[in-house]
Amino acid sequence: NAGVTQTPKFRVLKTGQSMTLLCAQDMNHEYMYWYRQDPGMGLRLIHYSVGEGTTAKGEVPDGYNVSRLKKQNFLLGLESAAPSQTSVYFCASRPQSLGSPLHFGNGTRLTVT
Amino acid sequence: AQSVAQPEDQVNVAEGNPLTVKCTYSVSGNPYLFWYVQYPNRGLQFLLKYITGDNLVKGSYGFEAEFNKSQTSFHLKKPSALVSDSALYFCAVRDGGTGGFKTIFGAGTRLFVKA
Repeated sequence: NAGVTQTPKFRVLKTGQSMTLLCAQDMNHEYMYWYRQDPGMGLRLIHYSVGEGTTAKGEVPDGYNVSRLKKQNFLLGLESAAPSQTSVYFCASRPQSLGSPLHFGNGTRLTVT
Repeated sequence: AQSVAQPEDQVNVAEGNPLTVKCTYSVSGNPYLFWYVQYPNRGLQFLLKYITGDNLVKGSYGFEAEFNKSQTSFHLKKPSALVSDSALYFCAVRDGGTGGFKTIFGAGTRLFVKA
């Protein structure tokens, strides 16, 4: 049982380049989330999905797109990276139950130069 | 909209002393409250939660938290701190009144326990 797996672990991009971060979970969770973590700002929600084929915007969605074509995968895309997107990105998942905690991956550290 | 405030950037305690990490929240409906811990270069790990019922909830590693509805607070506590408790702690809230789809986090509090 791997839990939540994020790839890659590290990435350096030049401004304007694009990339996709992959999140995979093997717990059959309905809900999946992408957060970014920046010093002093905690975790901020980028996008989330409450089921296969559905996505919704979080607190800071601009500059990002997501897709959930399969229940176990949630992809985060940066079409044209900017230095402001330098951050650590975390994926999380949880069951549908309101009281269920989030399960986190170990993060992707992205630097945009 | 739901929000969480953690008023202290850092909390320093001596090993063996009690610790408190503060959290206040704002939601429109019933709050679902969580505490998570993060160790260096790792994802967040769930510590404990409040859903309903007893205002004092117990969690992993000897941590507990007290829910106070009138003060809209959910402070994390531990009777006797360990050096190994040093980490980054996050309070989070889910708003039952808006479907509870989103979990919103506070800015985090760094706990430093000195031997």
